[in-house]
Amino acid sequence: SYDLTQPLSVSVALGQTARITCGGTDIGSKNVHWYQQRPGQAPVLIIYRDKQRASGIPERFSGSNSDNSPTLTISGALAEDEADYYCQVWVSGTVIFGGGTRLTVL
Amino acid sequence: EVQLVQSGAELKKPGESLRISCKGSGYTFTSDWIGWVRQMPGKGLEWMGRIDPNDSETKYSPSFQGHVTISVDKSISTAYLQWSSLRAADTAIYYCGRLSLVRAVVDDWGQGTLVSVTS
Repeated sequence: SYDLTQPLSVSVALGQTARITCGGTDIGSKNVHWYQQRPGQAPVLIIYRDKQRASGIPERFSGSNSDNSPTLTISGALAEDEADYYCQVWVSGTVIFGGGTRLTVL
Repeated sequence: EVQLVQSGAELKKPGESLRISCKGSGYTFTSDWIGWVRQMPGKGLEWMGRIDPNDSETKYSPSFQGHVTISVDKSISTAYLQWSSLRAADTAIYYCGRLSLVRAVVDDWGQGTLVSVTS
């Protein structure tokens, strides 16, 4: 089976930049997608195909997948960005989620 | 507007059966797959499997194969997740999602259904 690895937690000061990584075998060759899940809510797609923002997602959210290291970047983090973030890939006809990263905005 | 509306919370006993539902609207129901995702208390997202509403073809993740059944009634744009014998370990929130075949992402999510299994 294919595994995606994310840091359990990331902290960022209000207004600063947060970066969340996602690791996996040969992940640079795959399309990586990102979801945000606020407490008590359903997940929401925020980034697809490495760097494309989903509809209605603020520009402070961006994604990259260079040097085999997919990264979700939140520039100028707001209090409302405090949430769990999940990366996702498509492997062998099925969805694979990373374990999730809890972002804390200090 | 695309909407996936799930059935309400359930409280069941171990060994009981259950079927929860997910009704799609605002798009052509047969144009995308429907997937189901489990989230156990305080834990992450787990992909359970998906169904093609066109022909009811299913694909399950190995961890869930044989323990749940995914089905669909395309005449009423509704997908289902079913258990024949619940266990306490099935206590979780279950989300359905519209799986875009073009982008291989879950574009839209239901609001979630809380299933509690306790004696």
